[in-house]
Amino acid sequence: QKEVEQDPGPLSVPEGAIVSLNCTYSNSAFQYFMWYRQYSRKGPELLMYTYSSGNKEDGRFTAQVDKSSKYISLFIRDSQPSDSATYLCAMILMNRDDKIIFGKGTRLHILP
Amino acid sequence: SAVISQKPSRDICQRGTSLTIQCQVDSQVTMMFWYRQQPGQSLTLIATANQGSEATYESGFVIDKFPISRPNLTFSTLTVSNMSPEDSSIYLCSGGQNRRETQYFGPGTRLLVL
Repeated sequence: QKEVEQDPGPLSVPEGAIVSLNCTYSNSAFQYFMWYRQYSRKGPELLMYTYSSGNKEDGRFTAQVDKSSKYISLFIRDSQPSDSATYLCAMILMNRDDKIIFGKGTRLHILP
Repeated sequence: SAVISQKPSRDICQRGTSLTIQCQVDSQVTMMFWYRQQPGQSLTLIATANQGSEATYESGFVIDKFPISRPNLTFSTLTVSNMSPEDSSIYLCSGGQNRRETQYFGPGTRLLVL
């Protein structure tokens, strides 16, 4: 079982829809959770960062963490064509290395 | 925040040659990292570039294949040595004050080895 599982997509949704992106993980030592957005031919940029279970909201984006189920989600409300990108979940192991493990990324297309 | 640039942005290289990728940060960062991003695969950490000392490599990556330099807190290079087609990938550098805080990524270097 891979440490972090993420459906690669592609996921196509109409403009204005709510998007749900998800990752599961196997190691309960993951304590910090992040979502990165990566546009084509660009490096990843950090969208959301959280370390507690529950929801964290930032504008149209909501990050949700369920540590008991080892499941994290990113919701995008009122999706826009400019949201079309690859979204990578990432998480940090709480040990001396604090290594970041990335998911494979989900390609998202918002259809105008 | 930090802005990170990489050179070259892309290159096409012949098998058996080497390519050095440069990473420049516009401010001092404690930690710099080098990643590889292959199609359909997750970002894989190659090594942590340590200022003034040898880089720390992840399992599966060795110094002879991926020598790294970091002469100061704003600059690092990664060399891909004796390249083969399997080295075709996007190579990204990132920087941050520590692993648990925000890492800023460069735009990546697209490498194609023929």
